[in-house]
Amino acid sequence: GAVVSQHPSWVICKSGTSVKIECRSLDFQATTMFWYRQFPKQSLMLMATSNEGSKATYEQGVEKDKFLINHASLTLSTLTVTSAHPEDSSFYICSAPSGGGDTQYFGPGTRLTVL
Amino acid sequence: TQLLEQSPQFLSIQEGENLTVYCNSSSVFSSLQWYRQEPGEGPVLLVTVVTGGEVKKLKRLTFQFGDARKDSSLHITAAQPGDTGLYLCAATWGYALNFGKGTSLLVTP
Repeated sequence: GAVVSQHPSWVICKSGTSVKIECRSLDFQATTMFWYRQFPKQSLMLMATSNEGSKATYEQGVEKDKFLINHASLTLSTLTVTSAHPEDSSFYICSAPSGGGDTQYFGPGTRLTVL
Repeated sequence: TQLLEQSPQFLSIQEGENLTVYCNSSSVFSSLQWYRQEPGEGPVLLVTVVTGGEVKKLKRLTFQFGDARKDSSLHITAAQPGDTGLYLCAATWGYALNFGKGTSLLVTP
């Protein structure tokens, strides 16, 4: 099946710094990718939709100036958490649809810890 | 407002027991998916159900889509410790996949 990778798998940073997370579709092209956030013991919450060639679409309550999304190519989307704070510590997961339909392929996630 | 309501939220059972997880909504979906997620990993698709009343089996897991395509259930027969994980139902709403809150299953030997 289709493979989606994320890098890094985990990152620890100091409060106030920025962190970039990459999401790549390895064997297919994705004009759209999705970014989710998952807090401990909770489900995945959609943050934003990354669109190749256009601006990202953010869900209500997600600050677009804090979570910068860039869909650099048909196989790469990046999420930059700017001026990170401890409350941004979470598990960030990306996904991409492949082959049409509703099937989404998920990356392995990135664990962000902000000290 | 939660689009998909899952129950129970937590379930702790012993090896060999059977269990059922429910996913309910007031909305009608063209399809519904079940995922399993282990700690520190992304969710992995188990099954997609598309037809009202459909039943799909995956070894000891049985998935059912309600006749009205508003609800679904996951039944596990003779649970094993390897079944431990977070089970999530999800459905496409608009342009993106939305998840239920999940059922955290613990199967003890």
